[in-house]
Amino acid sequence: SQQGEEDPQALSIQEGENATMNCSYKTSINNLQWYRQNSGRGLVHLILIRSNEREKHSGRLRVTLDTSKKSSSLLITASRAADTASYFCATDQGGGSEKLVFGKGTKLTVNP
Amino acid sequence: ETGVTQTPRHLVMGMTNKKSLKCEQHLGHNAMYWYKQSAKKPLELMFVYNFKEQTENNSVPSRFSPECPNSSHLFLHLHTLQPEDSALYLCASSQDGTRSSTDTQYFGPGTRLTVL
Repeated sequence: SQQGEEDPQALSIQEGENATMNCSYKTSINNLQWYRQNSGRGLVHLILIRSNEREKHSGRLRVTLDTSKKSSSLLITASRAADTASYFCATDQGGGSEKLVFGKGTKLTVNP
Repeated sequence: ETGVTQTPRHLVMGMTNKKSLKCEQHLGHNAMYWYKQSAKKPLELMFVYNFKEQTENNSVPSRFSPECPNSSHLFLHLHTLQPEDSALYLCASSQDGTRSSTDTQYFGPGTRLTVL
């Protein structure tokens, strides 16, 4: 069953702008991960945030987690054309399940 | 790039064919995964192997048959597939399959499968 759901489904911005993508989930989680996928390629892990963390940074990436709202956001600052990709959140299903469940993703296009 | 390779990268097969997808990881991981990615659908976990033992079969039809001869190699044997099985099949590995939610998964580039 689908756990994480990204919003928006597609996002188009200009180079230099910030891009914000959101992920909502249904059940309590232990961790939430964000992955990136270039067109027709495999996924690449970006960042993991634990349920007891509220914010995490990695380079131009900033991830927040609000467990009360069951949501997370991924912010890419000063976007570049090379950031064009699909971005997925992945969560465990809670209840002791260790399976990682992915959302449908947000397709980000950064125009030069 | 990520230490996980998949062959072939593209495969076109008829519904009566038998073919196999191969995945190899060079990361020393103990867990390997098969995922199916169809257009406009979430990534679907198919199988998980941990230390060569299958630990997850996500209600996958028997026309998909996985094989894990060792921790570095994973195969997906395909037989009498349907057109709706056309998708990108992704292989991934991680250090420990019993901690999927915390382990980083490293993905291969995928095999684009078309069933005619």
